[in-house]
Amino acid sequence: GGIITQTPKFLIGQEGQKLTLKCQQNFNHDTMYWYRQDSGKGLRLIYYSITENDLQKGDLSEGYDASREKKSSFSLTVTSAQKNEMAVFLCASSIGDRGGAEQFFGPGTRLTVL
Amino acid sequence: GEQVEQRPPHLSVREGDSAVIICTYTDPNSYYFFWYKQEPGAGLQLLMKVFSSTEINEGQGFTVLLNKKDKQLSLNLTAAHPGDSAVYFCAAGTGNYKYVFGAGTRLKVIA
Repeated sequence: GGIITQTPKFLIGQEGQKLTLKCQQNFNHDTMYWYRQDSGKGLRLIYYSITENDLQKGDLSEGYDASREKKSSFSLTVTSAQKNEMAVFLCASSIGDRGGAEQFFGPGTRLTVL
Repeated sequence: GEQVEQRPPHLSVREGDSAVIICTYTDPNSYYFFWYKQEPGAGLQLLMKVFSSTEINEGQGFTVLLNKKDKQLSLNLTAAHPGDSAVYFCAAGTGNYKYVFGAGTRLKVIA
């Protein structure tokens, strides 16, 4: 089995601050994802990376940057935190098979902006 | 693009009762479907992966039905127990690496 690690678990930031969230997986999966989870809104895709040197925008990419440093790691940057923003950011990975591979999820990073 | 409507948003049942969650998707090209369970403070855990070629899928304590004609996917927990209390998400995809998730159903099972 494998595991997805997200750091930090809790992140408190100030309005306008640039904040970076990190994700590591040891599944040796090709594809990695970043989602934002807001209460009552399900998961919305921010960025994904099909393979090590790839980066694709999701539906919610505005206000975020992402970086796939190596196969096992995928970072997300909030470019300018919005006041009173609260959300959970979930990282996921999959083998990247176009045939509908399941995604494995990390435990999340909980962001609060003061 | 694809949209997935999930209902109900909240569901409370007594232990031993059944619980049904329904997702309606819009893209007729959706071929892969997933049900995930999320417990407090945790990520999503896969319950079942469904291909559009299979209409009935059975897991441990639950059944997943796919109605392609009505574009509906349902999760039926047959005899719920307190350990089933969690948030459940469905997801649909067409095989292009991206999946669309429903908004989630918060299930509470009362002992």
